[in-house]
Amino acid sequence: AQSVTQPDIHITVSEGASLELRCNYSYGATPYLFWYVQSPGQGLQLLLKYFSGDTLVQGIKGFEAEFKRSQSSFNLRKPSVHWSDAAEYFCAVGARGGGFKTIFGAGTRLFVKA
Amino acid sequence: EAGVVQSPRYKIIEKKQPVAFWCNPISGHNTLYWYLQNLGQGPELLIRYENEEAVDDSQLPKDRFSAERLKGVDSTLKIQPAELGDSAVYLCASSYGTSGRGAYEQYFGPGTRLTVT
Repeated sequence: AQSVTQPDIHITVSEGASLELRCNYSYGATPYLFWYVQSPGQGLQLLLKYFSGDTLVQGIKGFEAEFKRSQSSFNLRKPSVHWSDAAEYFCAVGARGGGFKTIFGAGTRLFVKA
Repeated sequence: EAGVVQSPRYKIIEKKQPVAFWCNPISGHNTLYWYLQNLGQGPELLIRYENEEAVDDSQLPKDRFSAERLKGVDSTLKIQPAELGDSAVYLCASSYGTSGRGAYEQYFGPGTRLTVT
C-alpha cells in the first residue's frame, strides 16, 4: 500500500529566504504525486502535480517540485518566500491503475517571519 | 467557474445528535469525494462517488455514517448519532473524469468544521 511521509511537522523561514519542504513516498511503481496548500479555514488547493516526463515540475505561486525516483522523494521548493505563503502544505500520492486512491501526508506547517 | 460549495461551514452539536453536511461539486465533475481531516493531519478518504455510485466506501464507518449522491450531482454526508471523536473538518472534493489523470486532480471545498460537545 502506498504511504506518504512529511518529516517536518513545521518549518519557519524568513521572508525572502528559500524554502524546501520534504516529502517521501512509498509505492511499488511510479506514482502520481501532488502538492496541496491549505490556508487556515480553507480547503486544499492544488499547487502542482507530477504524472510523468520531466521530473522538475512548475506550479502556481512560484512553487516547483522535483521527483527523484532513486530517493522516493518529491520535495517542494520556492526560491523566495512571501509572508502570504504561510500555510499548511500537504504532499499526496495517487496510485496508478485501479482504485484511484490518493493518500495524503500529515502536512508541514510553514511559518514566515519578517 | 464556481468552486466546490459546502454547507454549513461550522456546526456545533451535542453528542448523540444527528448532523448532515452538504456538498455541491464543480459543474461537470462526476467524481465526488468526502474526506475527514483531524487536527494536524492530512485528509483521509471516507467515500468516493463516480456519478451516483459509491465506488469506494471502505473507510466509511457505516454504523453511524451514511452518504448519498442522488442524481450524481450534489451529495449529503450524515452522522447519526454523533460521538465526541467525530469532531473534525469534513472536506468535500470533486474531480473531472472517473479514470486517468483527471480523476486525480481534486478540487476541494472549504470544509465543514464539526464540534461535538
